Amino acid sequence: TQLLEQSPQFLSIQEGENLTVYCNSSSVFSSLQWYRQEPGEGPVLLVTVVTGGEVKKLKRLTFQFGDARKDSSLHITAAQPGDTGLYLCAAPTGTASKLTFGTGTRLQVTL
Amino acid sequence: DTGVSQNPRHKITKRGQNVTFRCDPISEHNRLYWYRQTLGQGPEFLTYFQNEAQLEKSRLLSDRFSAERPKGSFSTLEIQRTEQGDSAMYLCASSPHGGQGATEAFFGQGTRLTVV
Repeated sequence: TQLLEQSPQFLSIQEGENLTVYCNSSSVFSSLQWYRQEPGEGPVLLVTVVTGGEVKKLKRLTFQFGDARKDSSLHITAAQPGDTGLYLCAAPTGTASKLTFGTGTRLQVTL
Repeated sequence: DTGVSQNPRHKITKRGQNVTFRCDPISEHNRLYWYRQTLGQGPEFLTYFQNEAQLEKSRLLSDRFSAERPKGSFSTLEIQRTEQGDSAMYLCASSPHGGQGATEAFFGQGTRLTVV
């Protein structure tokens, strides 16, 4: 079973601070996705990274795929309370492209 | 709204009862997935349909669980003789077949099951 480990598990920061969330594995992935999930809702896709070393930006969010396609990071600049949620990395596996999810990082941004 | 729709949003049931959840995927998506998520964890894969064919089932899917997707449109997930350990959020996702977007899943809002 491919395991995606995320760190940190929990993060509580104040508005305006920067943060980085990591997603690591010993396996190589063809692509990796990041989702954000709010309480009581389903995960919402933020980005898909495909190429080793790829960097994608989504407003204040910067996603990077490791050169070896085994790890990824999510950096948030100047966090806002609206960024609060559970951040999940996920990788498609098998012929069905089912997703294997990471352990999740719960982010809380306070005023 | 053309997103993935799940019903009901919440279900409280007594242990031993049967429950059924429904998922309506995005209409042009022929792949449909069910996942289960417990508190503080990421979702775990349960089963996958391509059109009406159920092509893969996780070992998490005990014989008390059954899923169908008649006519390749909506899907149902039934849990028979519910147990307290079945309490979780049940998520449905759909994705298109083929192309770069084939691995990207669009999730519904989930059905939260509480077995008392």
